[in-house]
Amino acid sequence: DAGVIQSPRHEVTEMGQEVTLRCKPISGHDYLFWYRQTMMRGLELLIYFNNNVPIDDSGMPEDRFSAKMPNASFSTLKIQPSEPRDSAVYFCASSFSARGNYGYTFGSGTRLTVV
Amino acid sequence: QQQVKQSPQSLIVQKGGISIINCAYENTAFDYFPWYQQFPGKGPALLIAIRPDVSEKKEGRFTISFNKSAKQFSLHIMDSQPGDSATYFCAASKGSNYQLIWGAGTKLIIKP
Repeated sequence: DAGVIQSPRHEVTEMGQEVTLRCKPISGHDYLFWYRQTMMRGLELLIYFNNNVPIDDSGMPEDRFSAKMPNASFSTLKIQPSEPRDSAVYFCASSFSARGNYGYTFGSGTRLTVV
Repeated sequence: QQQVKQSPQSLIVQKGGISIINCAYENTAFDYFPWYQQFPGKGPALLIAIRPDVSEKKEGRFTISFNKSAKQFSLHIMDSQPGDSATYFCAASKGSNYQLIWGAGTKLIIKP
């Protein structure tokens, strides 16, 4: 298995532009998580899905952030409009809930820089 | 009550030594305690995990010690190697809730 695949690996954009981050979870995993990591705030859960349905989006910082999971193999995190304070590494992770397996598999992340 | 407090923030250990990272929690409903390892430029990866029905779990050079009464758990890395240099995160979750509560992370440096 190729693991959790995120794209792009790096994104540099100007303030005010729309940014879309993409994630392909591991096939068969039924949970998908979007995290943001910064030096100041550590790992922050933004939103998570179970069987493509958003379960908890209380970590989404503002209405500028939105996430979708149209099918079991694809999810997007969109920021519109982007701001410099959104600069961070964004991780997608997936998990398989059967048999009490709570382990997350993370992607390699998207490093977002908003200038 | 949802927090997991991790210490130290950073740690330097000589090669061959024992690295110890500690975590404490308040919510007694937590029943799953994993440790994740993160190398620069990569996402965190599950290293080892424990449930509160055991006091210790060992996998190779990595051991989790769990103290239910004190609500603390720790990661011990025996015979620490330079390749162990990474950031380590403890976490906790409860029941069927797959949302992990994360510690702040410990940056471990193993000196050759």
